[in-house]
Amino acid sequence: RKEVEQDPGPFNVPEGATVAFNCTYSNSASQSFFWYRQDCRKEPKLLMSVYSSGNEDGRFTAQLNRASQYISLLIRDSKLSDSATYLCVVNLNTGGFKTIFGAGTRLFVKA
Amino acid sequence: DGGITQSPKYLFRKEGQNVTLSCEQNLNHDAMYWYRQDPGQGLRLIYYSQIVNDFQKGDIAEGYSVSREKKESFPLTVTSAQKNPTAFYLCASSIVRGQGARGSRINEQFFGPGTRLTVL
Repeated sequence: RKEVEQDPGPFNVPEGATVAFNCTYSNSASQSFFWYRQDCRKEPKLLMSVYSSGNEDGRFTAQLNRASQYISLLIRDSKLSDSATYLCVVNLNTGGFKTIFGAGTRLFVKA
Repeated sequence: DGGITQSPKYLFRKEGQNVTLSCEQNLNHDAMYWYRQDPGQGLRLIYYSQIVNDFQKGDIAEGYSVSREKKESFPLTVTSAQKNPTAFYLCASSIVRGQGARGSRINEQFFGPGTRLTVL
């Protein structure tokens, strides 16, 4: 089992749709969580950190469920410019450094 | 404006040659990282450094070497021992304690634009 698993995708949605990405992690020592966006042939860019209380940034909402060990990202009112790969990232608190990237879920938003 | 730079953007290498990829940051971050990304796959950690003059192997360090003589710089050498070096190489940096510039939090990694290495 992978330490961080994401929906395999791709997701194909029309403009204006609401789309949800799920991510599960296996290590209970996981400490901090992030969502990154990666455009084709570009570097990943931090989209948002994920806090225990959940957080929202405009059309984007991130949720964390520690008991079930999953993280979600909700995008409302999808735009064509949201088309990208979304990466789930988990940092572990093991006394040393350990950051694990999910393989990513590709999103295509169509007119 | 602070950021992370990588050079070159594209690099072509003949088999048997060593090449060095540059990574520089002026964000005053303590930690720096090198990742490799293959088509359709996630990022895999090659090496990381949390402080000057110290670095640790990641999951796929074989065939690579690094140095961290300055806080701002973390060059990666792809040696001839790396059997399949063609890939997209990404450098990142982060703070390790407290709160950084632009409100960044511990372990929020910021990436450079990457170097595409092709072995001919």
